[in-house]
Amino acid sequence: EAAVTQSPRNKVTVTGGNVTLSCRQTNSHNYMYWYRQDTGHGLRLIHYSYGAGNLQIGDVPDGYKATRTTQEDFFLLLELASPSQTSLYFCASSRGQGNYAEQFFGPGTRLTVL
Amino acid sequence: GEQVEQRPPHLSVREGDSAIIICTYTDSATAYFSWYKQEAGAGLQLLMSVLSNVDRKEEQGLTVLLNKKDKRLSLNLTAAHPGDSAVYFCAVTHDSGYNKLTFGKGTVLLVSP
Repeated sequence: EAAVTQSPRNKVTVTGGNVTLSCRQTNSHNYMYWYRQDTGHGLRLIHYSYGAGNLQIGDVPDGYKATRTTQEDFFLLLELASPSQTSLYFCASSRGQGNYAEQFFGPGTRLTVL
Repeated sequence: GEQVEQRPPHLSVREGDSAIIICTYTDSATAYFSWYKQEAGAGLQLLMSVLSNVDRKEEQGLTVLLNKKDKRLSLNLTAAHPGDSAVYFCAVTHDSGYNKLTFGKGTVLLVSP
């Protein structure tokens, strides 16, 4: 089974702060994703990638950058954090399409921007 | 883009009762349909998935029905137990994209003894 880990698990920062959320998957999946989860909105896709060096824009990308440095590692960057980015962030990975479209999720990072 | 509506947002049932969650989607090209479960403090885990050529799938007390004509996907927990209490999400995608899932907003299911 895919293993997806996230760090940190909890983060508190101030408005204007610089935050990096990290995600690592160890099952050689090609696809990786960053979501945010907010009450009343479900999961919303921020950015995703289908391989090292690739980046695709998701549905709610404003205020976020991402970088996929290796097949295993995907980072989400908030360079000027705002209170509206207070949320629960999930990373996920998957092999691909069709029968391999299952996404495996990490445990989440709770970010609070004061 | 794809729009997914999920209902109900909250559902309370007694142990042994069935619980039905429904999602409707807008894009007729949607080809992959799935249900995820999120337990308290955890990430999402896949429960079941079907491709567009499947109308019904049953596994371990769960039934997924796909009505492509009405663009409706349902999850039926046929005999719910307290351990089923969690948040449930439907998620769909086209098969021509990069596996970009569109999620419903979730249903909070509470199963009481």
